[in-house]
Amino acid sequence: AQSVTQLGSHVSVSEGALVLLRCNYSSSVPPYLFWYVQYPNQGLQLLLKYTTGATLVKGINGFEAEFKKSETSFHLTKPSAHMSDAAEYFCAVSAGGTSYGKLTFGQGTILTVHP
Amino acid sequence: DAGVIQSPRHEVTEMGQEVTLRCKPISGHNSLFWYRQTMMRGLELLIYFNNNVPIDDSGMPEDRFSAKMPNASFSTLKIQPSEPRDSAVYFCASSVGLSGGEKLFFGSGTQLSVL
Repeated sequence: AQSVTQLGSHVSVSEGALVLLRCNYSSSVPPYLFWYVQYPNQGLQLLLKYTTGATLVKGINGFEAEFKKSETSFHLTKPSAHMSDAAEYFCAVSAGGTSYGKLTFGQGTILTVHP
Repeated sequence: DAGVIQSPRHEVTEMGQEVTLRCKPISGHNSLFWYRQTMMRGLELLIYFNNNVPIDDSGMPEDRFSAKMPNASFSTLKIQPSEPRDSAVYFCASSVGLSGGEKLFFGSGTQLSVL
């Protein structure tokens, strides 16, 4: 069984500031980890994913995340926030390998970017 | 490609009525997922198909919900009879395969309001 906890339902930053969205996961098998972004009235879009290999994963729009097994974390960062980054972000986990790939999502974090 | 297409975008109905939500996955994708998003429960996986066959329907809330995938290009989610607590955004998503590392492509969702 898998679960995801996103710390902070709302995060507010100034334009140009560091963005840090926190995600911790629980999984009984080696996990695959994802970050998705949702803009208002739209479906979710994949930002980045970790499956195997390099633990620092780079995604679209300047975002990156680091898989830390010892901390069971997969935090999302971006060095400099842009107004267009304002959206809701979801961390998700699935069982890797040959298991069926259904995703379990966290509750989401709404990112607000102030001018 | 037009992406995952869902219809209708908005549905308003009265309690007790039958509701049918429709989804056309991306051509070539052989896995299809139905998710429900609410403020209280976040994103929940209802059911998913692989090669038109239902693999896991453990997320379907109760017998009032049913889903079909008669062919690779079409799926329906039906609620009969509908209840106010079914009000939510219903997302369809598709992917290539089910090994757990695939990118999910989401539709724009159907906003369902049951009065």
